[in-house]
Amino acid sequence: KNQVEQSPQSLIILEGKNCTLQCNYTVSPFSNLRWYKQDTGRGPVSLTIMTFSENTKSNGRYTATLDADTKQSSLHITASQLSDSASYICVVSLSGSARQLTFGSGTQLTVLP
Amino acid sequence: GAVVSQHPSWVICKSGTSVKIECRSLDFQATTMFWYRQFPKQSLMLMATSNEGSKATYEQGVEKDKFLINHASLTLSTLTVTSAHPEDSSFYICSARVIAGPSGQETQYFGPGTRLLVL
Repeated sequence: KNQVEQSPQSLIILEGKNCTLQCNYTVSPFSNLRWYKQDTGRGPVSLTIMTFSENTKSNGRYTATLDADTKQSSLHITASQLSDSASYICVVSLSGSARQLTFGSGTQLTVLP
Repeated sequence: GAVVSQHPSWVICKSGTSVKIECRSLDFQATTMFWYRQFPKQSLMLMATSNEGSKATYEQGVEKDKFLINHASLTLSTLTVTSAHPEDSSFYICSARVIAGPSGQETQYFGPGTRLLVL
């Protein structure tokens, strides 16, 4: 069964600190991996998208890494801000299918002042 | 970037009534849209794939007669929750599929969601 597991389930950090979120997947065949940020009561917003050939992708203070061999990805947030408080969802896309997204359960990040 | 809107953003209704939720792609055309449901502290669950001009494809366990989907144009898909009951209370999110770039990379843009509360 195709699965996407994220850790930790929740994380609390102080403003200005860095943090790293983890994503392990068993999805196969693999097309791409995406990280989304979902604010409470809002739809997900794309942060990064990586194909299997890419190892890293940055978007401002967000840097995603991908190891397709070990089927692991991480999202590193640098110099966190209060507005980073949200759920971060790892989504893996199957190849060759229109309805192909497998969602992780998300990591709830809380940034405290 | 591509923008997807949903209307209404929230709705409260009595049990037994029907509720229609609209999903629009504002600055692009989407032949395929997706409808998701999200319960508190859980991830998005795909309900159905909405295809312009044809019948929607429902995921296993989703009642097609209860969740009516219409994709009448390239910019609009609607989800109607018929005879809503309290257990239908949830956060409903749509997304639009976009294929772009020389490599034909596919991505999905999500709407802001619709909060449904059935009393």
